[in-house]
Amino acid sequence: DAKTTQPPSMDCAEGRAANLPCNHSTISGNEYVYWYRQIHSQGPQYIIHGLKNNETNEMASLIITEDRKSSTLILPHATLRDTAVYYCIVRAPNSGGSNYKLTFGKGTLLTVNP
Amino acid sequence: GAVVSQHPSRVICKSGTSVKIECRSLDFQATTMFWYRQFPKQSLMLMATSNEGSKATYEQGVEKDKFLINHASLTLSTLTVTSAHPEDSSFYICSAIEAGELFFGEGSRLTVL
Repeated sequence: DAKTTQPPSMDCAEGRAANLPCNHSTISGNEYVYWYRQIHSQGPQYIIHGLKNNETNEMASLIITEDRKSSTLILPHATLRDTAVYYCIVRAPNSGGSNYKLTFGKGTLLTVNP
Repeated sequence: GAVVSQHPSRVICKSGTSVKIECRSLDFQATTMFWYRQFPKQSLMLMATSNEGSKATYEQGVEKDKFLINHASLTLSTLTVTSAHPEDSSFYICSAIEAGELFFGEGSRLTVL
């Protein structure tokens, strides 16, 4: 799996948009970008994923650059409950059990302040 | 989304004893599950891949005789920490594949005294 680089921490005001960047300059053409988050003392929670088009769901939006070397996760209206460590992971398509062996980096600790 | 449940959520044991942690897929069948370990302020580290009906596959550096994994049914994988020591104190998390995506359990915090 390609490696990713994320800032160790970020702060965001409640109600504002939180933009979390991720660099994945060595991503392969068939690898997806996945985002998970982990609230303190809980298991990771899936947020969103994409290949090359921008994606949006009820939790967040994912913006992937045209060269696919970086992406940004956007939480449009951050709340205090969004305080968590956010992990950006790249992995190959679902073509075998080994492709589900996620490699977690250190992620970004997002702190949403009142 | 699919639900993966772990039990117990917290366990405290004495050094030298064995502890079993269960991981269940509540509304789907999982032929493959994964076990992770997370030390304080560190990221998740994959320990092993649990395969229903066959032996688990361990990552490099993980002692298979210490961390026994059993995946006897399509909805249950168990991790047994044998002869636990204080350095085994950690947050253990399982995950399972459903409809092409990974879902994680709530985690089990083990404290070895």
